[in-house]
Amino acid sequence: NAGVTQTPKFQVLKTGQSMTLQCAQDMNHEYMSWYRQDPGMGLRLIHYSVGAGITDQGEVPNGYNVSRSTTEDFPLRLLSAAPSQTSVYFCASSSGVGQPQHFGDGTRLSIL
Amino acid sequence: GDSVTQMEGPVTLSEEAFLTINCTYTATGYPSLFWYVQYPGEGLQLLLKATKADDKGSNKGFEATYRKETTSFHLEKGSVQVSDSAVYFCALIPGTGFQKLVFGTGTRLLVSP
Repeated sequence: NAGVTQTPKFQVLKTGQSMTLQCAQDMNHEYMSWYRQDPGMGLRLIHYSVGAGITDQGEVPNGYNVSRSTTEDFPLRLLSAAPSQTSVYFCASSSGVGQPQHFGDGTRLSIL
Repeated sequence: GDSVTQMEGPVTLSEEAFLTINCTYTATGYPSLFWYVQYPGEGLQLLLKATKADDKGSNKGFEATYRKETTSFHLEKGSVQVSDSAVYFCALIPGTGFQKLVFGTGTRLLVSP
């Protein structure tokens, strides 16, 4: 059972570069989210989507873009990487309101 | 706004000791409450949940009771094992609006043989 799949697992970028973190789920979940995890701060919501074609900002959206063209995929784009975006990024999905979220294994991103 | 407060770690225990990790929350309405566990190098896994007052969530020997009067959801286990060493996150989904998870900062548990 694949669940939520994130790629890549690790990435090193230089300041100013752009890249896309991929997230795919095979559970037909409507809700998908991106979080970043930083030491001592728990997980913070970046962007989320309640269905294909619908996205909204979370707690820390600056510097990131998302789109949701299909139910399965929810990529996160870094437009111009900054050292402050060094973090571990998690994608999650859930089936509906109040339901628990299923997490991918994360992408560890370092910006030099 | 909605928030979750967890006890700071690390919590260091010997095998077979009793575990309590405190969690309190602030939320409007009637949130759903969760405990997630993160093992080294992995993503978060749902450990247990409770969706209304006085519900008790349980899984793998862990328990937590939704206490609305004290706005708490403390995690307990009667006898911890070395394999329980991980980071534990308390979280809530607000009772209204988009069901975004609001996380506490996490508590690291270290269990020694």
